[in-house]
Amino acid sequence: NAGVMQNPRHLVRRRGQEARLRCSPMKGHSHVYWYRQLPEEGLKFMVYLQKENIIDESGMPKERFSAEFPKEGPSILRIQQVVRGDSAAYFCASSLRTANTGELFFGEGSRLTVL
Amino acid sequence: RKEVEQDPGPFNVPEGATVAFNCTYSNSASQSFFWYRQDCRKEPKLLMSVYSSGNEDGRFTAQLNRASQYISLLIRDSKLSDSATYLCVVNRNNDMRFGAGTRLTVKP
Repeated sequence: NAGVMQNPRHLVRRRGQEARLRCSPMKGHSHVYWYRQLPEEGLKFMVYLQKENIIDESGMPKERFSAEFPKEGPSILRIQQVVRGDSAAYFCASSLRTANTGELFFGEGSRLTVL
Repeated sequence: RKEVEQDPGPFNVPEGATVAFNCTYSNSASQSFFWYRQDCRKEPKLLMSVYSSGNEDGRFTAQLNRASQYISLLIRDSKLSDSATYLCVVNRNNDMRFGAGTRLTVKP
């Protein structure tokens, strides 16, 4: 049973380009979370999605960032017109629909570097 | 005020020491609580849940005080392999919020 799959693992972009990060949750999981982690800092909540719905996006910057979790396919975190400050590790996690057990299963992260 | 606050450390302790981490949370409606562990440049992984009655898993003991909105983690007989960042996590309606983490280094 494959775990949470994120790709790409590493992404390099120049300022002004777009970054697309993909996350395939564990099989059967319909809750997806995105977190950002800056070097030497903790995880910062960005967005919480269920299939086709954004439940909480209070951690997402108002501009340039968007997320989706379509009925079919992976969840996508999209960053438009990237700036150097967007350089970070972006972690995706998933959980079971009915689980309130707290066990989030994390992917290995996508590390974005903006030149 | 941050939703989940932790002392960032670092805590540098010798092998065999006992070390305690604390965490406070701001939302009294929070429903469940956890400690995660994150190794350097790796993804976080669940360490243990935290209950008001206190719970123990080997050398690890977690405690929750709902009245004070306070969570703790105690590690006894520290091992070199315990070196990591420990993340306090608070859950409300499946919305999981992480503290910034407390870094622990166990030295020989």
